Amino acid sequence: LAKTTQPISMDSYEGQEVNITCSHNNIATNDYITWYQQFPSQGPRFIIQGYKTKVTNEVASLFIPADRKSSTLSLPRVSLSDTAVYYCLVVNNNAGNMLTFGGGTRLMVKP
Amino acid sequence: DADVTQTPRNRITKTGKRIMLECSQTKGHDRMYWYRQDPGLGLRLIYYSFDVKDINKGEISDGYSVSRQAQAKFSLSLESAIPNQTALYFCATSDLQPGGETQYFGPGTRLLVL
Repeated sequence: LAKTTQPISMDSYEGQEVNITCSHNNIATNDYITWYQQFPSQGPRFIIQGYKTKVTNEVASLFIPADRKSSTLSLPRVSLSDTAVYYCLVVNNNAGNMLTFGGGTRLMVKP
Repeated sequence: DADVTQTPRNRITKTGKRIMLECSQTKGHDRMYWYRQDPGLGLRLIYYSFDVKDINKGEISDGYSVSRQAQAKFSLSLESAIPNQTALYFCATSDLQPGGETQYFGPGTRLLVL
């Protein structure tokens, strides 16, 4: 399984754009990059997934450069309710591969 | 996600007791998982099952066992609970789709072993 590295914590203010970068230097050809969000005492929730270039949904954008060795989760105009832990995972589409959750990035949004 | 339920939501037990945590899902997914989370840390996989007849050990299976009674139900047992099994336990389900796997998590069971 490809290992991911992301910052332990980040602070931001309401209304700002937040970018969380994740490194995955040994990502394989069949791997996808996936981000989950977890609020305290709740299970993680899927945010976004991508393979290359840019993916956007109603919650976030995911930017993946051509070499795919890193990715950036972008949260536009964060609010206090975006305070959570964000996990970057590399997921293989083949059967038998599991999700591996690292420590995640703890995002604190301040007023 | 209301489609994945866990019971009980909170449990206090004593060292040496046997306890069972239940997970049910209405999503119709074949794959089910059990994770534990310790304070300030990420999730660690205990066991997983790809269908009713399939059981696999995860990263930290020692001290735990599971039962997949039906597609919709996956139970986690602690045969003889010990204090370092105090943690938040999550059940998850998934259905492999083109483009990768997305897991859907239950609300968690908070377990305290005295």
